[in-house]
Amino acid sequence: NAGVTQTPKFQVLKTGQSMTLQCAQDMNHEYMSWYRQDPGMGLRLIHYSVGAGITDQGEVPNGYNVSRSTTEDFPLRLLSAAPSQTSVYFCASSRQYSNYGYTFGSGTRLTVV
Amino acid sequence: GIQVEQSPPDLILQEGANSTLRCNFSDSVNNLQWFHQNPWGQLINLFYIPSGTKQNGRLSATTVATERYSLLYISSSQTTDSGVYFCAVEGGNNRLAFGKGNQVVVIP
Repeated sequence: NAGVTQTPKFQVLKTGQSMTLQCAQDMNHEYMSWYRQDPGMGLRLIHYSVGAGITDQGEVPNGYNVSRSTTEDFPLRLLSAAPSQTSVYFCASSRQYSNYGYTFGSGTRLTVV
Repeated sequence: GIQVEQSPPDLILQEGANSTLRCNFSDSVNNLQWFHQNPWGQLINLFYIPSGTKQNGRLSATTVATERYSLLYISSSQTTDSGVYFCAVEGGNNRLAFGKGNQVVVIP
């Protein structure tokens, strides 16, 4: 049972490049979400999904796209990277009726130069 | 959305000391979790505690949902307790909202 797996762990992009951050979970969780963490800001919700085929925007969605074609995977796409997207990105998942709450991946540290 | 405030923002402890971290939230919640972010950046789930009291070793947590606050107790602190403690709440809309964290440093 691997939990929530994020790849890559580190990435450097040039301004304007695009890329996809991968997130996969093997716990059959309905809910998946993406957060970014910036110094002094805590974690902020980018996008989330309550099941395959269903996604919605969070607090800071601009510049990011998501899709949820399977229960297991929830990739985050940066369409045209900007320096303001330099951050640490976390993926999380949860069961709809849970006594455990959300499980987080180990994060992806992204730098846009 | 729900507002989450954590206090104190920074805390320096002598090894062996006890401490209490507080989380206030602005609305009723279905989910409240305490996380520890270690120096390597990993978020470790400490407690799922939308109400009541739980204990896990030297850590315990209490949430008083009617008064909209939660407390995390660290007893007999160790250097491995250093890091940032986050409180996160969800009000039933699948949006987990985080506080800005309590930065804890335990010195030997």
